[in-house]
Amino acid sequence: EVQLVESGGGLVQPGRSLKLSCAASGFTFSNYGMAWVRQTPTKGLEWVASISTGGGNTYYRDSVKGRFTISRDNAKNTQYLQMDSLRSEDTATYYCARQRGRYYFDYWGQGVMVTVSS
Amino acid sequence: DIQMTQSPASLSASLGETVTIECLASEDIYSNLAWYQQKPGKSPQLLIYYANSLNDGVPSRFSGSGSGTQYSLKINSLQSEDVSIYFCQQNYDSPPTFGGGTKLELK
Repeated sequence: EVQLVESGGGLVQPGRSLKLSCAASGFTFSNYGMAWVRQTPTKGLEWVASISTGGGNTYYRDSVKGRFTISRDNAKNTQYLQMDSLRSEDTATYYCARQRGRYYFDYWGQGVMVTVSS
Repeated sequence: DIQMTQSPASLSASLGETVTIECLASEDIYSNLAWYQQKPGKSPQLLIYYANSLNDGVPSRFSGSGSGTQYSLKINSLQSEDVSIYFCQQNYDSPPTFGGGTKLELK
């Protein structure tokens, strides 16, 4: 059974950093691209970033470029999202997702809440 | 960015009824369209990809169709477990973008 379990969320002040982790199991992690997608009641679902199978290629939405870094450790079956210079508009539930093909997301984690507020 | 517009925003239907949800892209996305179901308090689940391909384990009462800029999700014989929010998503161009969602309730 495919499982994606996020951790690392919480309350953080604007301008500070937070690192999310996503532990994967139930499939050959190194064979799949991975992604982070966030959701808010007002903006809905937003793709944040994706990473290729080996980690050599990364992709970001414009609003997080230069602030967020997606990475993965295939030996640990884990992907990460390092979020720096956080803004209030980054407040959302962040989902880890397995990517299939070109930006389809066929499995999602349960989500982790990130709140950016002073 | 490609804008995805779903209609209706909410829908109320009876058990056993057939419902259709529409998704309009701001430009041609060449059938690179996925549909997701999000049950209350849960994460989204992939239902359909490439406009009409059913994901593994998805009941056959769900179907997708469309081309160009216009796509639809059809649910035959509505069941109580289908109460959810449904999202469309284009994956033709980066960034991938989602529709605003259609909330399906039972009448």
